[in-house]
Amino acid sequence: QSVLTQPPSASGTPGQRVTISCSGSSSNIGSNYVYWYQQLPGTAPKLLIYRNNQRPSGVPDRFSGSKSGTSASLAISGLRSEDEADYYCAAWDDSLSAYVVFGGGTKLTVL
Amino acid sequence: QITLKESGPTLVKPTQTLTLTCTFSGFSLSTSGVGVGWIRQPPGKALEWLALIYWNDDKRYSPSLKSRLTITKDTSKNQVVLTMTNMDPVDTATYYCAHSPDYGSGSDVWGKGTTVTVSS
Repeated sequence: QSVLTQPPSASGTPGQRVTISCSGSSSNIGSNYVYWYQQLPGTAPKLLIYRNNQRPSGVPDRFSGSKSGTSASLAISGLRSEDEADYYCAAWDDSLSAYVVFGGGTKLTVL
Repeated sequence: QITLKESGPTLVKPTQTLTLTCTFSGFSLSTSGVGVGWIRQPPGKALEWLALIYWNDDKRYSPSLKSRLTITKDTSKNQVVLTMTNMDPVDTATYYCAHSPDYGSGSDVWGKGTTVTVSS
């Protein structure tokens, strides 16, 4: 059972906009930055969004992140077939000694 | 360019201790704020954060695994070592190490991972 809650699956057609939610609590999302990772099949996770809404260089601006209270969202616009992957949110949690918590992951299917 | 590479045994027996090494380049673990962490992923399952060590030897552990984990660094060798005691088949997973650029930040660059199977 992951500390952060994500929907297990999401889907969209090419060109559509999809959003993936990530729900936490005051000790993690509510008080720390949110990070998003993309994991293509058979590969290591790749940082997609850091500090809630910042994109590393090389990440297309089709990907955007937002946070409100104890929830966060990843939005992907202009959906492409190569976006089909697993997406994970993460944040530091201050409830015990500080540690990182992940969401359970969302498998995005491009129909 | 930051790169990290995990190494260690591919197969361990139940109750044994696992020792994994992360060898990195492109940064120094003596630079203020920098850290290296470990994350694992059982087959078909979600990512699970394990531990992280900072440039100043500050160490953070997953509360659920803290009693079994030890993370250390060798700055001169550009290596971080993770040991996990009392291995069990449920610990079968791909283990990743990753770079953390700032104190309290997320991991920005990951290694490719190493697969560990726990079986007798």
